[in-house]
Amino acid sequence: GQNIDQPTEMTATEGAIVQINCTYQTSGFNGLFWYQQHAGEAPTFLSYNVLDGLEEKGRFSSFLSRSKGYSYLLLKELQMKDSASYLCAVIDSNYQLIWGAGTKLIIKP
Amino acid sequence: GAVVSQHPSRVICKSGTSVKIECRSLDFQATTMFWYRQFPKKSLMLMATSNEGSKATYEQGVEKDKFLINHASLTLSTLTVTSAHPEDSSFYICSAVRLAGGQDEQFFGPGTRLTVL
Repeated sequence: GQNIDQPTEMTATEGAIVQINCTYQTSGFNGLFWYQQHAGEAPTFLSYNVLDGLEEKGRFSSFLSRSKGYSYLLLKELQMKDSASYLCAVIDSNYQLIWGAGTKLIIKP
Repeated sequence: GAVVSQHPSRVICKSGTSVKIECRSLDFQATTMFWYRQFPKKSLMLMATSNEGSKATYEQGVEKDKFLINHASLTLSTLTVTSAHPEDSSFYICSAVRLAGGQDEQFFGPGTRLTVL
């Protein structure tokens, strides 16, 4: 079966760094997305990885290892507004989107 | 976790034809479903909110006569792309909202890839 695992909840301190991991087992791979979703709002695109390596975009970075079926989202200089759910989603060989359950990130002052 | 399915998963059609996409919540009732469209490397764009038993609420800029939404039951919403054109080619994703202890949970479908030739 197809499966995406990410932690249910994480807590971090304002100004710190947090890494949210995502592991996947899917039938094929055509890319991995990270989305941020605040309660009651549509998800906001953060990153798209299809090749191995690290992609940096401001305070957010995303890493992919296809051989390990692993990705992480790194958030630096955490701000209170970063409190949200972070969703990992993989496109499989049939171009189906497989969604993780999301990681609720709580930022404390 | 709750399961939301979409059918078909992929569809290729000729320009000018209509395509119907189904979104089903398989193990819960959803009074509200959302339809999104995704462009490559971009956010999910909310198209409309589908409410069971009433007319859908469309986001600004979305043509309601082109994207027909019907929420016929508590487990099924359909999106019909009428007179499809190549620019309608995209990834369409639905989500269904489950009420759980006073807090809404949103579950996403796997998406439907539409290619209009």
